[in-house]
Amino acid sequence: EIVMTQSPATLSVSPGERATLSCRASQSVSNDLAWYQQKPAQAPRLLIYGASSRATGIPARFSGSGSGTEFTLTISSLQSEDFAVYYCHHYNNWPRTFGQGTKVEIK
Amino acid sequence: EVQLLESGGDLVQPGGSLRLSCAAPGFTFSNYVMNWVRQAPGKGLEWVSSITAPGGITYYADSVRGRFTISRDNSKNTLYLQMSSLRADDTAVYFCARGGFGVLSYLDYWGQGTLVTVSS
Repeated sequence: EIVMTQSPATLSVSPGERATLSCRASQSVSNDLAWYQQKPAQAPRLLIYGASSRATGIPARFSGSGSGTEFTLTISSLQSEDFAVYYCHHYNNWPRTFGQGTKVEIK
Repeated sequence: EVQLLESGGDLVQPGGSLRLSCAAPGFTFSNYVMNWVRQAPGKGLEWVSSITAPGGITYYADSVRGRFTISRDNSKNTLYLQMSSLRADDTAVYFCARGGFGVLSYLDYWGQGTLVTVSS
């Protein structure tokens, strides 16, 4: 099983600032990596797939990078609606696994 | 519009059984890999199971293999998860999620989830 490790667990950021979230895989997942956003009492929402492709309707301030074992989600200028929990997820093989999540909170 | 509508969540005793359903109008259901993902209260996301588009191949997390069965009825545009020998640690919101055309697919649409509580 591939273990996905996200850091930091919590990120405190002021509105308008940049946020950088990291995800590390215990072995290579190529670019079969997605990022999801989840707000309280809501379903997750796909942000990024293929490590760097934005999903339909996702604002350009969200960007993903990386391949192999190291991945980054960057939110260039945080808006109020971006405060949420973010999960990385690999779909390279079975079993699929998720990172434990990074909570982005208001500083 | 893609919709995923889960149902069937309930309070069940340890050792009991439950069947979840996910109705999927708004897209050609039979073309897509379908998935179940769960989230225990206050915890992160855990992939549970996936099924290929024709329904011939299934995949399970170790934590549920042998107890849960995923299936689909393409004529009814519906995904199922039959759960048996339920344990307290199966308590979670269960999400239905659409994959892609092939097995190497991310989850592009999610339902709102259905709550399963295992408790005596």
